[in-house]
Amino acid sequence: KAGVTQTPRYLIKTRGQQVTLSCSPISGHRSVSWYQQTPGQGLQFLFEYFSETQRNKGNFPGRFSGRQFSNSRSEMNVSTLELGDSALYLCASSVGGSGNEKLFFGSGTQLSVL
Amino acid sequence: GENVEQHPSTLSVQEGDSAVIKCTYSDSASNYFPWYKQELGKGPQLIIDIRSNVGEKKDQRIAVTLNKTAKHFSLHITETQPEDSAVYFCAAPREGGGGADGLTFGKGTHLIIQP
Repeated sequence: KAGVTQTPRYLIKTRGQQVTLSCSPISGHRSVSWYQQTPGQGLQFLFEYFSETQRNKGNFPGRFSGRQFSNSRSEMNVSTLELGDSALYLCASSVGGSGNEKLFFGSGTQLSVL
Repeated sequence: GENVEQHPSTLSVQEGDSAVIKCTYSDSASNYFPWYKQELGKGPQLIIDIRSNVGEKKDQRIAVTLNKTAKHFSLHITETQPEDSAVYFCAAPREGGGGADGLTFGKGTHLIIQP
């Protein structure tokens, strides 16, 4: 079974631009979560989607948004990029039946904002 | 929300020795405690998890112990090998209890296995 796929692997943007990251979950998984990883703050929860609905959201500004499609694939968007948005963005999928499930992470998208 | 503290931030052990990483959590309602291993250039990978209805769980050279009274849990790796070198993260439910509300992660422990 294929793992979680994230594209692109690397991105370089400038301040003020917007970016869209993509995540394809493991086949059969209906929940997709997004995390931001930085050296200073570590891994921080962005949001979680299940059956095309956002179920939970972390403490990030409205510039961070996401969506999930009917095939469970997910995208996250960051608008008006700031230097502090430079980070590794990780997507994780799970079966999604309930909370506290095993998460399967992709390799991430490394975003650099110049 | 949940707060997770992880220690040490760096741990260097001789190959073949044991390694122990400790985490404390704040929300007594938390009932699920996973450990993830992250190798360079990869996303975190779940290596073991424990639920609050048990005190210990083992999987070959890896074990996790949970002390609900003290609100801490630990990862134990025995007979360490070079491939154990990685960053290890502990986690707990972000809002305690159940629900798909995401995880709060510790800051990570960089485990170095010395040959």
